[in-house]
Amino acid sequence: GESVGLHLPTLSVQEGDNSIINCAYSNSASDYFIWYKQESGKGPQFIIDIRSNMDKRQGQRVTVLLNKTVKHLSLQIAATQPGDSAVYFCAERMTSYDKVIFGPGTSLSVIP
Amino acid sequence: SAVISQKPSRDICQRGTSLTIQCQVDSQVTMMFWYRQQPGQSLTLIATANQGSEATYESGFVIDKFPISRPNLTFSTLTVSNMSPEDSSIYLCSVLPTGWDTQYFGPGTRLTVL
Repeated sequence: GESVGLHLPTLSVQEGDNSIINCAYSNSASDYFIWYKQESGKGPQFIIDIRSNMDKRQGQRVTVLLNKTVKHLSLQIAATQPGDSAVYFCAERMTSYDKVIFGPGTSLSVIP
Repeated sequence: SAVISQKPSRDICQRGTSLTIQCQVDSQVTMMFWYRQQPGQSLTLIATANQGSEATYESGFVIDKFPISRPNLTFSTLTVSNMSPEDSSIYLCSVLPTGWDTQYFGPGTRLTVL
């Protein structure tokens, strides 16, 4: 199906602050979730993932939180840097080796 | 991970013509996917292309408009047929490496139809 919405939500943060990007996913049967970063003119780049049997996972400067009760996913970026400016997409997948479905995306703008 | 390249990186085409986009992967993968990203929007899956079988299309996408080939485990093509300005988008190839959970994406092909 087609995505809904013509404009991406925008989040502006000061350099050095922490960023929190939220996402509501659609299918309670999804068991694997991914955050992607897309810079202008490039394809989506994998950031971090989490399985449905976890509620938190940490990477380098990034943390993903999963709340299955309310079907909510968040991405936290610590000490946000200008290079973090991009569009961030959450994505979900049902069962192994199935297709990934993307959420609407959030544009992150870092103010120097 | 997988290194994915796409050709062309961008093109400007006339209404009514067709364009074939190529996707090359540096390793053998079973599952490949084609996505469309319209301006300012998220990615929408067009079809799943597995080697040795017909492509599986998502709702709203048909084979006559978006024929796909998958001749081997490292290559696929997507054709955008009989183009109209509404087909102006970024078209992205994606792969799911065997044994991995994460899909990786190519750089995209930016298509403008006049």
